[in-house]
Amino acid sequence: DIQMTQSPSSVSASVGDRVTITCRASQGINSWLVWYQQKPGKAPKLLIYAASSLQSGVPSRFSGSGSGTDFTLTISSLQPEDFATYYCQQANSFPLTFGQGTRLEIK
Amino acid sequence: QVQLVESGGGLVKPGGSLRLSCAASGFTFSDYYMSWIRQAPGKGLEWVSYISNSGSTKYYADSVKGRFTISRDNAKNSLYLQMNSLRAEDTAVYYCAKSRAAIALFDYWGQGTLVTVSS
Repeated sequence: DIQMTQSPSSVSASVGDRVTITCRASQGINSWLVWYQQKPGKAPKLLIYAASSLQSGVPSRFSGSGSGTDFTLTISSLQPEDFATYYCQQANSFPLTFGQGTRLEIK
Repeated sequence: QVQLVESGGGLVKPGGSLRLSCAASGFTFSDYYMSWIRQAPGKGLEWVSYISNSGSTKYYADSVKGRFTISRDNAKNSLYLQMNSLRAEDTAVYYCAKSRAAIALFDYWGQGTLVTVSS
């Protein structure tokens, strides 16, 4: 099974800050990496697929990069609605696996 | 617009069974692969099972293999998860999710249904 490891597990930041979250796969997954955002009590929302493709309707302040085993999600200028938990997921092979999540909190 | 509505969750004793349903609308259900994903209270996301658009191909997480069965009825635009031999560690919110073509990513999710396994 492919293990997905996110860092940090939590981060505190302020509105307007630039934040980067990393996700590392235990083996190469090409660009089969997906990012989701989840707010408390809500279902996850697709943000980025194929490592760097922005889902329709997602603000352009979100971006993704990477390939192989190392990936990043960057939020260029945090907005109040961005405080949430972020998950990466590998879509390369079964069993599908998620990272443990990164909680983005208001400083 | 795409809608996925789960039902069938509830309280069940260890060793018991439960069948979850997911009613889909707003898209051609028979064209898309579907999955179940769960989230234990206060924990992260765990993929559970995946089914092809025709129902001919199915995948399961090791944690549920042999106990859970995914199925679909394309005529009824519905996805199912039959859960047998339930354990306390199966307690979670269960989401159904639509995949994009045959790619194993989830572009639409239901609101989830809570399954609690407890005596």
